Amino acid sequence: EDKVVQSPLSLVVHEGDTVTLNCSYEVTNFRSLLWYKQEKKAPTFLFMLTSSGIEKKSGRLSSILDKKELSSILNITATQTGDSAIYLCAVMKGNTGFQKLVFGTGTRLLVSP
Amino acid sequence: NAGVTQTPKFRILKIGQSMTLQCTQDMNHNYMYWYRQDPGMGLKLIYYSVGAGITDKGEVPNGYNVSRSTTEDFPLRLELAAPSQTSVYFCASSYPSPGQGTFYEQYFGPGTRLTVT
Repeated sequence: EDKVVQSPLSLVVHEGDTVTLNCSYEVTNFRSLLWYKQEKKAPTFLFMLTSSGIEKKSGRLSSILDKKELSSILNITATQTGDSAIYLCAVMKGNTGFQKLVFGTGTRLLVSP
Repeated sequence: NAGVTQTPKFRILKIGQSMTLQCTQDMNHNYMYWYRQDPGMGLKLIYYSVGAGITDKGEVPNGYNVSRSTTEDFPLRLELAAPSQTSVYFCASSYPSPGQGTFYEQYFGPGTRLTVT
């Protein structure tokens, strides 16, 4: 059975701290790994990682995929209260065309002022 | 572009009632999806559609039905609502991935919070 596991489940940090969120997976027919940020409403897309070892960056957020270890990390530096959210990891699997996403349960991040 | 829109935002149903959750996208995406998210859990795929007239089951389809008569709309029907269907429902859409290392992300609607009592 496909499995995506995120850790930690929840995390409280102070503004300015750096955090690392983890995602490991056991999924057949892996295509890519995605990170989403979920605040009150819909998940919003952060990164898609397809190749191992290539870091993707967007401002203070960065992510990297390790296909050998079947895992990915999401780093957030100099955290701000606006980073408080649930961070979802999802693995895309399947053949060309239809993209099935298998989601982890998420990491709930709270950044305190 | 409004993106993916969903109605209603909230709904309370009694056990045994039926309802339709509406989803519309204006990005001309071929693919559309329905997910449910239970508290503390990841999203699970209920149904998906690869184009008008074509739908298929996801991981948790029991108790639901869908139809796709146009590219834009993908309604989800709950028949005989049960407390186990209390959840937040998200609709999403995307382009089909052409493969060869190119994949497209899914765009999500704001969700419908459904309570069945």
